[in-house]
Amino acid sequence: TQLLEQSPQFLSIQEGENLTVYCNSSSVFSSLQWYRQEPGEGPVLLVTVVTGGEVKKLKRLTFQFGDARKDSSLHITAAQPGDTGLYLCAGISGSRLTFGEGTQLTVNP
Amino acid sequence: NAGVTQTPKFQVLKTGQSMTLQCAQDMNHNSMYWYRQDPGMGLRLIYYSASEGTTDKGEVPNGYNVSRLNKREFSLRLESAAPSQTSVYFCASSELANYGYTFGSGTRLTVV
Repeated sequence: TQLLEQSPQFLSIQEGENLTVYCNSSSVFSSLQWYRQEPGEGPVLLVTVVTGGEVKKLKRLTFQFGDARKDSSLHITAAQPGDTGLYLCAGISGSRLTFGEGTQLTVNP
Repeated sequence: NAGVTQTPKFQVLKTGQSMTLQCAQDMNHNSMYWYRQDPGMGLRLIYYSASEGTTDKGEVPNGYNVSRLNKREFSLRLESAAPSQTSVYFCASSELANYGYTFGSGTRLTVV
């Protein structure tokens, strides 16, 4: 079983702060995705990273895929209350996703 | 709106009762999935269907059965519910994994 570990599990910050969430595995994935989930809803895809070392930006969110394709990070600049949610990384192997446990982010006004 | 529709949204069962969770997608996706989500354990795959007419076990299939009724619909059945099956269940569909999964809004199931 391929495992993905996310850290931290919980993060509570003030509006305007920067933060980084990590996703690590001992396994190599062909690509990796990040999802955000809000209460009472299913996860929604934010980004897919495919190439080792790849960096993608989505407004204030920056996603990086590790060179060895075993880890990834999500950096949020100047966090806003609207960024509050559960952030999940998911590794792709074949046609299936393996999800990490998630990072619960709370951004306080 | 296009997407994945799950019914019911909430359900309370007594131990030993059976029920079927329904899922339908209108995006013409080939693959469909059932996950359960428990605190601190992320999303765990129960069963998946890579295409109409095929189903395969995921990480936690015990106590569940599935039916891929047609390309649109993929149901999950609990034959004899147990308290350990208390969870939030999500159905998802995809065309290709790299394109991402589209999830339904979930069914919150409590077994007492």
